Amino acid sequence: EPEVTQTPSHQVTQMGQEVILRCVPISNHLYFYWYRQILGQKVEFLVSFYNNEISEKSEIFDDQFSVERPDGSNFTLKIRSTKLEDSAMYFCASSANSDTQYFGPGTRLTVL
Amino acid sequence: GQQLNQSPQSMFIQEGEDVSMNCTSSSIFNTWLWYKQDPGEGPVLLIALYKAGELTSNGRLTAQFGITRKDSFLNISASIPSDVGIYFCAGQETSYDKVIFGPGTSLSVIP
Repeated sequence: EPEVTQTPSHQVTQMGQEVILRCVPISNHLYFYWYRQILGQKVEFLVSFYNNEISEKSEIFDDQFSVERPDGSNFTLKIRSTKLEDSAMYFCASSANSDTQYFGPGTRLTVL
Repeated sequence: GQQLNQSPQSMFIQEGEDVSMNCTSSSIFNTWLWYKQDPGEGPVLLIALYKAGELTSNGRLTAQFGITRKDSFLNISASIPSDVGIYFCAGQETSYDKVIFGPGTSLSVIP
């Protein structure tokens, strides 16, 4: 069964450093999303992406965040200058022409 | 913004018991979703509901989309140890829209 994959599974970085989180959505999907989950809290929406542009973004998704689909298979989330409060699990999701979003296993980001 | 509330926050049950958990929303959703999350994993979709009043089953799981479009419940029958995890209700206003998650119900099953 096709699935969303994410790399790395765990990223440790120093405060102020840039990080890029990578996702490979399911191949025939057209809608892409990033969510994050701070430890012990609920999953929160960050951004949605369709047709090579951002469809919607939340208040969390400020100027430090950016997304890109550099080729036909990858979907990336970049955090330009990480802060301690960016430490969280980051989930990528994708969907085809239905309501169902399929989530990846997540990247645990730890900012020191 | 839209808020989802789930009850109970946590449950400890004996293996074989039935489980019921609820979700309410401050606003109307057109799609209700139930996800399960195991530790260190991403949310996995269990059931999706698309019509008010709809009752849908997936094995031992049954969920209903409330008539008011502001609530849903999930039942698990004859619980087993692998049911342990966090169950999130979630809603979408429209197709392809962001998924808004509730705070989750943590389920523990005692063998």
